[in-house]
Amino acid sequence: DQQVKQNSPSLSVQEGRISILNCDYTNSMFDYFLWYKKYPAEGPTFLISISSIKDKNEDGRFTVFLNKSAKHLSLHIVPSQPGDSAVYFCAASGLRSGAGSYQLTFGKGTKLSVIP
Amino acid sequence: NAGVTQTPKFRVLKTGQSMTLLCAQDMNHEYMYWYRQDPGMGLRLIHYSVGEGTTAKGEVPDGYNVSRLKKQNFLLGLESAAPSQTSVYFCASSYSIRGPGGKNIQYFGAGTRLSVL
Repeated sequence: DQQVKQNSPSLSVQEGRISILNCDYTNSMFDYFLWYKKYPAEGPTFLISISSIKDKNEDGRFTVFLNKSAKHLSLHIVPSQPGDSAVYFCAASGLRSGAGSYQLTFGKGTKLSVIP
Repeated sequence: NAGVTQTPKFRVLKTGQSMTLLCAQDMNHEYMYWYRQDPGMGLRLIHYSVGEGTTAKGEVPDGYNVSRLKKQNFLLGLESAAPSQTSVYFCASSYSIRGPGGKNIQYFGAGTRLSVL
């Protein structure tokens, strides 16, 4: 039961353009969403988050949008830079179905390649 | 700032061998977690701890045991390793699992790459 879905395994974008990474979730109990960035041979690092009471959160070049009715969130990176090339994980916090406790549920990740 | 430190970074085991992965955090976090990452599977929670002396099962706990004897340390044990446990293991910690102000943001170690032959 995949409760957080990132349907695009990979994405290629030209440097300077916008990168849009998408994430869908099925569990309406999720109330806090996070994006993590992961370089090869390193652990994931926190990038940006959004509470379910908001529909947008911005931090520099990174903006996360949340559409609760569609159970969809997206991460926008503008402008994209070669150093942004990494795997991006979407994660949702809340009462995970079947778990009975609050946990962080991750998507499978999207590999972003920013081409110079 | 050490943050979350995992040892060892790499390990190769034979089927049936045992080993312990060590995770240490210096951020005074209450919550600690062990995840595994497999190709195309994202991060899956193995076990977690909500405080010293406590442990709880995550999504994929079978074949693993954990202990949290000290607040700063969280150990993951494999009693009898199997090839299906070949994976990259990540430890993480956070102030809380919920709450405002980013208290539920998890901070990760660099990972342990384990191969079971």
